[in-house]
Parts: sequence; structure tokens; C-alpha cells
Amino acid sequence: EVQLEESGGGLVQPGGSLRLSCAASRFTFSDYHMDWVRQAPGKGLEWVARAKNKAESYIVLYAASVKGRFTISRDDSQNSLYLQMNSLRTEDTAVYFCARRGSTGLTWDYWGQGTLVTVSS
Amino acid sequence: DIQMTQSPSTLSASVGDRVTITCRASQSISTWVAWFQQKPGKAPKLLIYKVSSLESGVPSRFSGSGSGTEFTLTISSLQPDDLATYYCLQHTTYPLTFGPGTKVDF
Repeated sequence: EVQLEESGGGLVQPGGSLRLSCAASRFTFSDYHMDWVRQAPGKGLEWVARAKNKAESYIVLYAASVKGRFTISRDDSQNSLYLQMNSLRTEDTAVYFCARRGSTGLTWDYWGQGTLVTVSS
Repeated sequence: DIQMTQSPSTLSASVGDRVTITCRASQSISTWVAWFQQKPGKAPKLLIYKVSSLESGVPSRFSGSGSGTEFTLTISSLQPDDLATYYCLQHTTYPLTFGPGTKVDF
């Protein structure tokens, strides 16, 4: 069974940094695009960033709300996805999910359980 | 950015009811819409992709329809396990955008 496991969440002060990781297993990680999606407490879902696969030149894309502050990356040799978050704001407080985009490009077939990031002084 | 709206925001229904949730896009999104179910404390689960295709393992009481800017998710006979919040998602253009969600309760 495919597994995605996020880690790295925690409490950080405004202006601080945090690096999230998503460990993937039981599938060929390098074949798939990967997304970060977040959910603020009691709020809806927000797409954050995408890391495309090698076949699409590892292109990365961001939501406007995080562009310039967050960096998505991947290490196919380690089957891992990352989200480096800098200049954190209170509004970045959320559960962060990693999700696998299905091979057809139409689905998001596997999600991690999420990791909570709290930005507060 | 393409804005997604959903109606209603909350829906109270009974077991066995037919339930319809509507999602509207601020511009045409062709067929690039998906529907997710999310239960409290859990990750979203894909139900429907490309407007009307049922994800593997999803009960057939769920269906999707629509085109252009208006899309619907229908639950033909509501079951207790369907208590959840439902989100639509457009993936025609970046940034991907979700609707604000529809909470279904009893």
C-alpha cells in the first residue's frame, strides 16, 4: 500500500522558518508529481505548491500566498518531498498535507495524514 | 485566479435523502474538476474526477455532473458514513483552487 508520511511540523515564531518533509514509500516516487495542500484550523483546503516529476523537468509551482517565502523540492533518491517555509506568518498556521497526483493527471489518489504548523509568538 | 464557490455551505439531511451540492467557477474550467470528501481530523479523499468519473472504491451513490462553470455532486441516498465536508477543486489553471466546502450533517 502506498504511504505518505509528513513530518517537521511544530511551533515557530512569526518570521521564523520550518522545513516539512514527506516520506513516500511503496511506489516509484520519481514518476509522480507531488503537491502540498494546507488547511488552517476550522477552514477549507488551500493548494500550496507542486513539484513536477523528472519527465516534466522538475518544474515547481506556487500559490501566490507563499511564493517567494516557501520552496518546494524533492529528492527522488530519498523518495522524499520537502517544503522549506521561511518568513512565516500567523496566517500560515495550518495542517500541511502532501498528496500524490495520480499518473493520469486527473486524480490525487494518496494523501499523508498531515503535520501541524503553528506560527505564534 | 479562478474562484470557486459552493452552495449550500451547510446542508442538513436525513438518511436516505438525495443530496446535491453545487460548485460554480468564475470562468470556464472545461472538465477539470474534482470532488473530495473530508472527515474531521482526516485527509481529504477523492470521490469524483473529470466531472463525473468515480474514483476506484467510491460507492456508486456518489455521482458528478456539469460543464463549463457549473458542476454538481450528488449523493443518491445519503448514508451515515457520508457525514463530512465536501470540496470541489479546479485544476484547469494554476493556482489550483478549492471551493470553500459544504458541510453535510444530519
